[in-house]
Amino acid sequence: DAGVIQSPRHEVTEMGQEVTLRCKPISGHDYLFWYRQTMMRGLELLIYFNNNVPIDDSGMPEDRFSAKMPNASFSTLKIQPSEPRDSAVYFCASSLGTAEAFFGQGTRLTVV
Amino acid sequence: LAKTTQPISMDSYEGQEVNITCSHNNIATNDYITWYQQFPSQGPRFIIQGYKTKVTNEVASLFIPADRKSSTLSLPRVSLSDTAVYYCLVGAYSGGYQKVTFGIGTKLQVIP
Repeated sequence: DAGVIQSPRHEVTEMGQEVTLRCKPISGHDYLFWYRQTMMRGLELLIYFNNNVPIDDSGMPEDRFSAKMPNASFSTLKIQPSEPRDSAVYFCASSLGTAEAFFGQGTRLTVV
Repeated sequence: LAKTTQPISMDSYEGQEVNITCSHNNIATNDYITWYQQFPSQGPRFIIQGYKTKVTNEVASLFIPADRKSSTLSLPRVSLSDTAVYYCLVGAYSGGYQKVTFGIGTKLQVIP
């Protein structure tokens, strides 16, 4: 398996634009997580899904953030409208519900 | 979720054993202790998990005293490639998923 695949790897966008981050989890994994990493706040859990259903979105910072998982092999994290403070590295991870979560390479988002 | 405290940074020479201690004074009965490693520009990677006493795998050892209020990750004979950030996480399984929080981690710098 190629691991968790995220796209794009880098995204630069202007404030106010919509941004969509994509994730393909490892086949067979039934948990999917979206994290955000910044120097100031470290690695924060935004939302996680179990069997394509959102379970806990308490980490989503604002209504500008939304996440979907239409099927077991694809998830998106959307920011609309984007703001400079959303600049961060966004990671997607998947697991079988054990302690071992497998992370993607991340998407570095820069909002100017 | 139990709060964890670990050193912000550590330096070590190549070939030495490195011990990183994490404090988790309010760990709950059902909590497990998990360590992750993160290299620059990559997502975190699972290293080891334990509940009590000692756990060892091909990468590291995890020592947990009887009161479980702390744990020590031990990396034998480190090399330059072990330079990374190491995260201590504490959490219990809920609904099949271990709820954990990543902190800032310990930045380990291995010196030639």
